[in-house]
Amino acid sequence: DSGVTQTPKHLITATGQRVTLRCSPRSGDLSVYWYQQSLDQGLQFLIHYYNGEERAKGNILERFSAQQFPDLHSELNLSSLELGDSALYFCASSDGNSNQPQHFGDGTRLSIL
Amino acid sequence: GENVEQHPSTLSVQEGDSAVIKCTYSDSASNYFPWYKQELGKRPQLIIDIRSNVGEKKDQRIAVTLNKTAKHFSLHITETQPEDSAVYFCAATTSGTYKYIFGTGTRLKVLA
Repeated sequence: DSGVTQTPKHLITATGQRVTLRCSPRSGDLSVYWYQQSLDQGLQFLIHYYNGEERAKGNILERFSAQQFPDLHSELNLSSLELGDSALYFCASSDGNSNQPQHFGDGTRLSIL
Repeated sequence: GENVEQHPSTLSVQEGDSAVIKCTYSDSASNYFPWYKQELGKRPQLIIDIRSNVGEKKDQRIAVTLNKTAKHFSLHITETQPEDSAVYFCAATTSGTYKYIFGTGTRLKVLA
């Protein structure tokens, strides 16, 4: 158990819909990273938050948005969903220092029908 | 921008043989290099890491070497076992930044 909690584990929805993925970081961790992993692909960095503030953006689509709340949990919102958005979405947390390992949650598997 | 190249993309070895995966980074200021193992359908898990003030680190059958001059680091797995079969990702980060750059992954298959 990494200490990072992601909900839900699975999500099945239709094209055009909107979903929210939730992540609770390890106790004491201030940084939250979001990644998208399509089938047999690498980890695509989406966005990074540190203590409530956005710090870095990767290849995140405009249809996607995220935030980190005062209690440090984070949500990733995906809207106008397309078939190509089907993927495993991981959240990872670290203590905020980029010189430390990231701890990954078990991911949310999103399936668009 | 910064990037990390990882080779090979796939690697098959016989059980008991050694496996080596190599990563090359572009940012000379990078100073922390973790390796993650991801089994099918599971989350990436840290297996070993190395900092720039160290040239080599070993943990049982796993070792990582770092060549700062050439800007590359490698994962070495000795006496491979079927349970070592997974995708391995390297990463490079730099103190004071929030950038965590992952390699593209290596699918290792250990043949029994």
